[in-house]
Amino acid sequence: QKEVEQDPGPLSVPEGAIVSLNCTYSNSAFQYFMWYRQYSRKGPELLMYTYSSGNKEDGRFTAQVDKSSKYISLFIRDSQPSDSATYLCAMKVTSGSRLTFGEGTQLTVNP
Amino acid sequence: NAGVTQTPKFQVLKTGQSMTLQCAQDMNHEYMSWYRQDPGMGLRLIHYSVGAGITDQGEVPNGYNVSRSTTEDFPLRLLSAAPSQTSVYFCASSHRDPSGNTIYFGEGSWLTVV
Repeated sequence: QKEVEQDPGPLSVPEGAIVSLNCTYSNSAFQYFMWYRQYSRKGPELLMYTYSSGNKEDGRFTAQVDKSSKYISLFIRDSQPSDSATYLCAMKVTSGSRLTFGEGTQLTVNP
Repeated sequence: NAGVTQTPKFQVLKTGQSMTLQCAQDMNHEYMSWYRQDPGMGLRLIHYSVGAGITDQGEVPNGYNVSRSTTEDFPLRLLSAAPSQTSVYFCASSHRDPSGNTIYFGEGSWLTVV
């Protein structure tokens, strides 16, 4: 069983929709949770970062962490065609430890 | 502002050939790493370095060597390429302190081994 599970999709939504992306994990020691966005033929770029449980909001993006359920989510409000990309969740135990990535979810937002 | 630079972008190798993927960063980051990305597997750590002269193995190190002679450069060597090493390779760098939660990735190197 993978340490981090993420539905690879693909996920296709109309412009303006609310998108929900999710990951589950098995290692209860994970404390740092991140979401990366990866455009086609490009490297991943950090989108959101959360420490421990709770919510974090940045513009149209909201990251949620539920450590009791070992479940993290990324919500995208008012989705735009420019949001079309692969979204990868990633997590680690301590600040200096290595990252464990999910498989990535491919998202397409249709105009 | 170059960030993390990888070369080459695309490469086709024959089985048994060797090659080096180059990676350079200009942000004075202590931590550098190499990942491979495969369908259904996500990003997997190959090797990493916490500073010049220090390297360590990641999750999938077999068939790869690295060295870190300077802070800026972290080349990845394939000693005898195999078809199983066909993949997209990403170099990444970050600071070692808590600000190192922001990891910067290069644009990737597409490698095909035939």
